[in-house]
Amino acid sequence: QLQLQESGSGLVKPSQTLSLTCAVSGDSISSGGYSWSWIRQPPGKGLEWIGYIYQSGGTYYNPSLKSRLSMSLDMSTNQFSLQLSSVTAADTAVYYCARGTQYRPSTRTTDVFDIWGQGTKVTVSS
Amino acid sequence: DIQMTQSPSSLSASVGDRVAITCRASQSISNYLNWYQQKPGKAPKLLIYAASNLQGGVATRFSGSGSGTDFTLTISSLQPEDFATYYCQESYSIPFTFGPGTKVDIK
Repeated sequence: QLQLQESGSGLVKPSQTLSLTCAVSGDSISSGGYSWSWIRQPPGKGLEWIGYIYQSGGTYYNPSLKSRLSMSLDMSTNQFSLQLSSVTAADTAVYYCARGTQYRPSTRTTDVFDIWGQGTKVTVSS
Repeated sequence: DIQMTQSPSSLSASVGDRVAITCRASQSISNYLNWYQQKPGKAPKLLIYAASNLQGGVATRFSGSGSGTDFTLTISSLQPEDFATYYCQESYSIPFTFGPGTKVDIK
């Protein structure tokens, strides 16, 4: 059974770079038909999709974060990663990694987030 | 970006009640609509995808309907383990956006 586990810096200073990794177990991230996403949730608030990366290395980012965002895949360790630069207090959140499974409800293919990690809390503070 | 709204923002219900949560998109998204359940301190769990398809392993008391801009998640007979926050999410266009959530608690 596929499992995802986030890890990384729990406390980041303002203006620095937030770095997180998601370890995938139970299947290979090189398997076709999936995307690998990051989603965050500020304290007491709703969910925000950050972006995803495909097996090919292709990425799609939320435009609101795109200028500060970088995602990568490491197939040798079966992990994918997130880097968010120039962080502020507004980036304080629980960060989740998730698998997106492709499906086609209508005329084109999209992804649904069907397996999630447990989440990791990141606080931006000096 | 597509804006998602949900109503009500919260509701109180009893075990055995039929509960309906509404989600509205700011533009037509066909049936590119998913529903998640989140319990405190836990990750969201996929319940429904493509507006009306039940995710494997999810109880059949959950159902989804709608198309275009208006969608509904229905719980036919609320169980103790269903008290949680429910989010809709559009997968029609990037950035995929979530609704603000509907908290279901015990009356």
